[in-house]
Amino acid sequence: KNQVEQSPQSLIILEGKNCTLQCNYTVSPFSNLRWYKQDTGRGPVSLTIMTFSENTKSNGRYTATLDADTKQSSLHITASQLSDSASYICVVANSGNTPLVFGKGTRLSVIA
Amino acid sequence: DAGVIQSPRHEVTEMGQEVTLRCKPISGHNSLFWYRQTMMRGLELLIYFNNNVPIDDSGMPEDRFSAKMPNASFSTLKIQPSEPRDSAVYFCASSPPSFHQGSNQPQHFGDGTRLSIL
Repeated sequence: KNQVEQSPQSLIILEGKNCTLQCNYTVSPFSNLRWYKQDTGRGPVSLTIMTFSENTKSNGRYTATLDADTKQSSLHITASQLSDSASYICVVANSGNTPLVFGKGTRLSVIA
Repeated sequence: DAGVIQSPRHEVTEMGQEVTLRCKPISGHNSLFWYRQTMMRGLELLIYFNNNVPIDDSGMPEDRFSAKMPNASFSTLKIQPSEPRDSAVYFCASSPPSFHQGSNQPQHFGDGTRLSIL
């Protein structure tokens, strides 16, 4: 069964600290993996998209990694800011016409 | 670019009433997606259009739900009759031309319609 599991479910960190969010998936055949940021009351916004051959991709203070062998991805946030408070959703696509598989997200709260 | 535009932003109605949600995709995007988001289930794909044609509607919960895309710049999601369990945030997303959902094109989401059925 195609599934995406994210951990932790929620996380609270102090402003300026780093954090890492995890994503494990069982989607096959794999096409790409995406990380989205969703602010409260807004739609998700794409942070990164990685294909099978990419094992790291950065977008500012956000760095995503992908290990296609172990089917794991992580999103690392450096020097967190209050504006990083949001839900982070991992999404995996396969090579066909079947739907994208969404994780339930990690709720990150950055506090001063 | 105005982004994906959804209306209304909020809708509160009594069960049994018809609800129509609207979406204007980004100009030039030819794929359009309707999603439902709840705390329990997260984001779920309801239906996906490519060039105005429904490609995959396997996520539509039941016959009470229907979606149309009469042209490249407009889509509707209709629920008739509505039930309290339909309460959720409904998102529309669009993406540039692609052959299938697994392509590397990012999806651009609207800000959603928060639907409450009393």
